[in-house]
Amino acid sequence: DAKTTQPPSMDCAEGRAANLPCNHSTISGNEYVYWYRQIHSQGPQYIIHGLKNNETNEMASLIITEDRKSSTLILPHATLRDTAVYYCIVRAPRSGSARQLTFGSGTQLTVLP
Amino acid sequence: EPEVTQTPSHQVTQMGQEVILRCVPISNHLYFYWYRQILGQKVEFLVSFYNNEISEKSEIFDDQFSVERPDGSNFTLKIRSTKLEDSAMYFCASSGSVGYEAFFGQGTRLTVV
Repeated sequence: DAKTTQPPSMDCAEGRAANLPCNHSTISGNEYVYWYRQIHSQGPQYIIHGLKNNETNEMASLIITEDRKSSTLILPHATLRDTAVYYCIVRAPRSGSARQLTFGSGTQLTVLP
Repeated sequence: EPEVTQTPSHQVTQMGQEVILRCVPISNHLYFYWYRQILGQKVEFLVSFYNNEISEKSEIFDDQFSVERPDGSNFTLKIRSTKLEDSAMYFCASSGSVGYEAFFGQGTRLTVV
């Protein structure tokens, strides 16, 4: 599975867009990029995932570069409640099996008032 | 919105005692997981379960641990003889597809004294 690299911490002003980068230069063709977050000791929360096209849902947008070696999670209007650790995970689905998610250290996003 | 429910939220047990952590996954989900997080550390995978059998397990998931889906709705994690180092938050998760959009419960804080 492809390794991911994320900055350890970032700050963002409340109301502004938060752009969280992730490098996954060894990603292979069938691997998806997943983003989760963990708000202070709560259970991790799924945010979004994508394969090669950009994706948007009610929580965030995911921009994947054309070569798929990096991606950016965008929270368009960050609020104080978005303060959390954000994890970028790369994984290939495999039918007939429940495969683990490997959580790294992630990026601690702090939204400042 | 459907959610994964874990009980109890906090359990204190004496070293050497058996504990059972309980989870009710989202009702139509097929893939089930246990993770743990020791205070201040990463979220670690323990075990995944699909089609009534273990799909994957980590090195942490040794003979002291077992999982069961006793009645088609509950998913349990048993620790036979707890150690001090088993103190952690334990998260249950479930997924409805072979992808990794897993939904996590709020966790059980296990304290071994």
